[in-house]
This record gives sequence, structure tokens and C-alpha cells, in this order.
Amino acid sequence: DQQVKQNSPSLSVQEGRISILNCDYTNSMFDYFLWYKKYPAEGPTFLISISSIKDKNEDGRFTVFLNKSAKHLSLHIVPSQPGDSAVYFCAASAYSFNKFYFGSGTKLNVKP
Amino acid sequence: DTGVSQDPRHKITKRGQNVTFRCDPISEHNRLYWYRQTLGQGPEFLTYFQNEAQLEKSRLLSDRFSAERPKGSFSTLEIQRTEQGDSAMYLCASSSGLAGGETQYFGPGTRLLVL
Repeated sequence: DQQVKQNSPSLSVQEGRISILNCDYTNSMFDYFLWYKKYPAEGPTFLISISSIKDKNEDGRFTVFLNKSAKHLSLHIVPSQPGDSAVYFCAASAYSFNKFYFGSGTKLNVKP
Repeated sequence: DTGVSQDPRHKITKRGQNVTFRCDPISEHNRLYWYRQTLGQGPEFLTYFQNEAQLEKSRLLSDRFSAERPKGSFSTLEIQRTEQGDSAMYLCASSSGLAGGETQYFGPGTRLLVL
């Protein structure tokens, strides 16, 4: 039973445009969410996080939006750069949990 | 480099053999996690240590899998009598702070291929 879902396995955008990656979750107990970026042959690298007490968190070109009622979060990258091409995973947990649940990833390709 | 390190990076073994992987977390992190990642999937939780205590194990972790963190520093993951279905990337992560509300930092992973 997958509690975190990324329904788009891939996304292609033009350099300079906005990339929007989506993630849905089913467990209403989740209250902490993260996005990771993964290049081939490397481990996931932390990108940005958000707590359920917020609905938006921004870090440079990266913004994460959380819609608790819809159990949905999204990652916006503006402007997209070719170096952003990677697989992006969303992950969710709760302060009472000892683990994170990951989505299956979205492969982003930013074309020059 | 003070990140999470894993050894070996790649391992090819024959079915039925035992393999052991090592993870060295970030030095001040008291929590250590093992995950498994297969092609097209995200990391799946296997087990979790707080210091030297193994506090949680996934049902994915069959009796053939065992993990240790003897002194609360590095950790080992052993797979006995490997099967082809064990072929995957094994990821280690470490963290500090409140469990479930912290950022986990991942190592580069050990890619296992069972022939």
C-alpha cells in the first residue's frame, strides 16, 4: 500500500520555464514532507522540506506548496536549468514515526 | 568529506552467498536508517537505529537480513543466502533532531547484483 504517490514518472520542460512536480499522500498523520533530488549512481540529496503548519516554503529557485485538505504537495522550480535534470522524490513522515515514506519519483528533463 | 559513506559501492555475488555492507554516518548523527531501492521505485524503509538500539524493522526485512550498529557509530547490513530478488540499491541515511521531523542525509548507496 503506497502512502506517497508521484503519478508522473517523467516531466520535460524548457530551460528558463517553470517545472512543477506533484506528489499525493494518503496518510492524514503525515506532518512533515521533504523533496530529494537524485542523480544516477548517487544517493538522494535533500532539497527542501515543509512542515504541516505551513502551506509554502521557499528556498531560492525552489518552492514547495502543501495543500493539506487535498493531501497534495508540489515542488516548483523557477527558472528551470539543465543542471536540474534528475529524479525527484517526495517523502513524508510524522513526528511520531521512525521512518519516511517515499514516492516512486519523477524524472525531470530540462532541455537547453 | 563529512557526509554519509557506504562501502562497497557495488557488489556482484552468486545466489546463496552472504554479503555484508557498511555504512558510516555523519559523525554527530545519532539516528541511522537503511533503505532499499529497486528500479523505478523510491527508497523503501528497512530498519532504523537510534544510537546502538535497533528500534524498528520493516516486514520487508526477512530473517535473512540482519543489521547492527554496535557502538552507535557505523552500521552493517548483512544478507544471508542471497536471492536474485535481493538485487537492488541499498541506501543508508543518517539524521539528528526529532524523529520524523528531521532531514535524512543519504550515502551514495551500495548496488547489489545477485546472479
